[in-house]
Amino acid sequence: QKEVEQNSGPLSVPEGAIASLNCTYSDRVSQSFFWYRQYSGKSPELIMSIYSNGDKEDGRFTAQLNKASQYVSLLIRDSQPSDSATYLCAVISGNSYKLIFGSGTRLLVRP
Amino acid sequence: DAMVIQNPRYQVTQFGKPVTLSCSQTLNHNVMYWYQQKSSQAPKLLFHYYDKDFNNEADTPDNFQSRRPNTSFCFLDIRSPGLGDAAMYLCATSTRGLNEKLFFGSGTQLSVL
Repeated sequence: QKEVEQNSGPLSVPEGAIASLNCTYSDRVSQSFFWYRQYSGKSPELIMSIYSNGDKEDGRFTAQLNKASQYVSLLIRDSQPSDSATYLCAVISGNSYKLIFGSGTRLLVRP
Repeated sequence: DAMVIQNPRYQVTQFGKPVTLSCSQTLNHNVMYWYQQKSSQAPKLLFHYYDKDFNNEADTPDNFQSRRPNTSFCFLDIRSPGLGDAAMYLCATSTRGLNEKLFFGSGTQLSVL
């Protein structure tokens, strides 16, 4: 079982729609959770971080965390073509300083 | 201003010819990481430094080594690059603590001919 799992996609949504990206993780003692956006040929950039159960909103982005289900998601409202990218879920497991990435979900926003 | 700088942006080497990738940071962060990312795959952690303490991932090939001569600089040495080592190499930094985000450099795209 992979430590961090994501559907590879592509997830295709029309412009203006809500895009929902999902991620599950295997380490129950994980404490820190991140969503990174990565454009082709570029390095990842941080979109959201979340540390406690529930929702965290930042502009058009909402991260949701459910530690009991070991599940974290990212909602993108009013999706724009510029949101088309690969979204990487990342988790800091246990007491290590290591950030473990999922393989990413490719999002395509159709104009 | 760039805070984590990787050089070069693109590197071409020959099969078996040693190559060194460099990373520098102006953030004074304690932790520095090297990730390898192949096309359509997750970034894979190779090793990280917590201050001067080196931490090697169990599945990192012996062909890969790293040096951190001071807080600001970190190097990735590939002793004998193979075709399978062609990838994007990402350097990142963070402060102490489990909740700190990573700051990534722009990456070095390595090609092996």
